[in-house]
Amino acid sequence: AQTVTQSQPEMSVQEAETVTLSCTYDTSESDYYLFWYKQPPSRQMILVIRQEAYKQQNATENRFSVNFQKAAKSFSLKISDSQLGDAAMYFCAYRSAWTGGGADGLTFGKGTHLIIQP
Amino acid sequence: SAVISQKPSRDICQRGTSLTIQCQVDSQVTMMFWYRQQPGQSLTLIATANQGSEATYESGFVIDKFPISRPNLTFSTLTVSNMSPEDSSIYLCSVGEQGGNYGYTFGSGTRLTVV
Repeated sequence: AQTVTQSQPEMSVQEAETVTLSCTYDTSESDYYLFWYKQPPSRQMILVIRQEAYKQQNATENRFSVNFQKAAKSFSLKISDSQLGDAAMYFCAYRSAWTGGGADGLTFGKGTHLIIQP
Repeated sequence: SAVISQKPSRDICQRGTSLTIQCQVDSQVTMMFWYRQQPGQSLTLIATANQGSEATYESGFVIDKFPISRPNLTFSTLTVSNMSPEDSSIYLCSVGEQGGNYGYTFGSGTRLTVV
């Protein structure tokens, strides 16, 4: 079974600064998808960014980018120019590329609580 | 992306009773997913619901405790049966975009408190 590990229960960053959230995962599969989700206090899960394992290029979405190291099984999220609205729980998630048989759902890490200091 | 309406948004229930949570999607989807998020914890997949077949449950979750219905391609329900305080959690439904390859959309969740 796949596991996702987020080793930072909480991170704090000054507004306008850059912060990196760590995520590692364990899998024997070669093809899969990785996601970062944001969950603000409203508890709505919001997709931040996704990465396809077979693509070496790191995904970028505006101020959010990832550092995907497939060999190291690492998938960190970098948030540039942090804003107060970025404050939330951030979850790293894994999904197998093989569908069916229960492989379609997401496996989540425990999350990192991001605090933005004004 | 799909829009999901989940009801109720919250409820307080007596132990030993059951609660049914509804999830309505604005488009047809093959699979719907139910997750549990215990207080201060991450999300754990309960089951995958396919239309017209039995739901597939993850390890640690059983049909008698969490029966799921999937009568059509836009609707599903999750029932939490014979509740105990340990069932107090947020329950979320989810659907995949393009089969999940482009991410998943989540409902706003049901906050359940069992007293």
